[in-house]
Amino acid sequence: SQTIHQWPATLVQPVGSPLSLECTVEGTSNPNLYWYRQAAGRGLQLLFYSVGIGQISSEVPQNLSASRPQDRQFILSSKKLLLSDSGFYLCAWSRDRGHKGYTFGSGTRLTVV
Amino acid sequence: SQQGEEDPQALSIQEGENATMNCSYKTSINNLQWYRQNSGRGLVHLILIRSNEREKHSGRLRVTLDTSKKSSSLLITASRAADTASYFCATDATKAGNNRKLIWGLGTSLAVNP
Repeated sequence: SQTIHQWPATLVQPVGSPLSLECTVEGTSNPNLYWYRQAAGRGLQLLFYSVGIGQISSEVPQNLSASRPQDRQFILSSKKLLLSDSGFYLCAWSRDRGHKGYTFGSGTRLTVV
Repeated sequence: SQQGEEDPQALSIQEGENATMNCSYKTSINNLQWYRQNSGRGLVHLILIRSNEREKHSGRLRVTLDTSKKSSSLLITASRAADTASYFCATDATKAGNNRKLIWGLGTSLAVNP
């Protein structure tokens, strides 16, 4: 069966520090991968998606970047965090371009202080 | 931009009652999906209904889709305290040849009181 792992679950980082959130998928190959951010009490904002190794599409200009060094690994990064980067970050994957829905990781609560 | 709009924004019911949440959207779609999110957790896919389907069931869940009104409803029958969560609709409106992306609503927060 397919599983998705996202870590860490919570993170408190000072302003200006770097960020690296990792997401890995097991039990499938060539998944579509997504990074979302969810502000408190709000819906999901798509940040990045990837349809293959090294292929990253950015949805919103921001202080973040994403990379896909391996087929089932998706990394969200920042060189210098801002207060506004605080939020709940979710990784997700889909097969067949989402015909059967997305599977989400458990999320990372990032607080920038 | 957000396409799905759920209503109500918040719903509080007693255990055993039915809960109905609605979702409206603006453009033609390939499918519409409903997800549940428990507080502080990831989203869980509940059900997907294609644009050529009108109704779908899964356990205590019933989803309807009216493409003429561009709306969908999610009915949870005989609700339980464990159904307390936020519920989101998402639409797949991808045009042919483009990578699929979902467009999300802001969610309905459901509280089921014991």
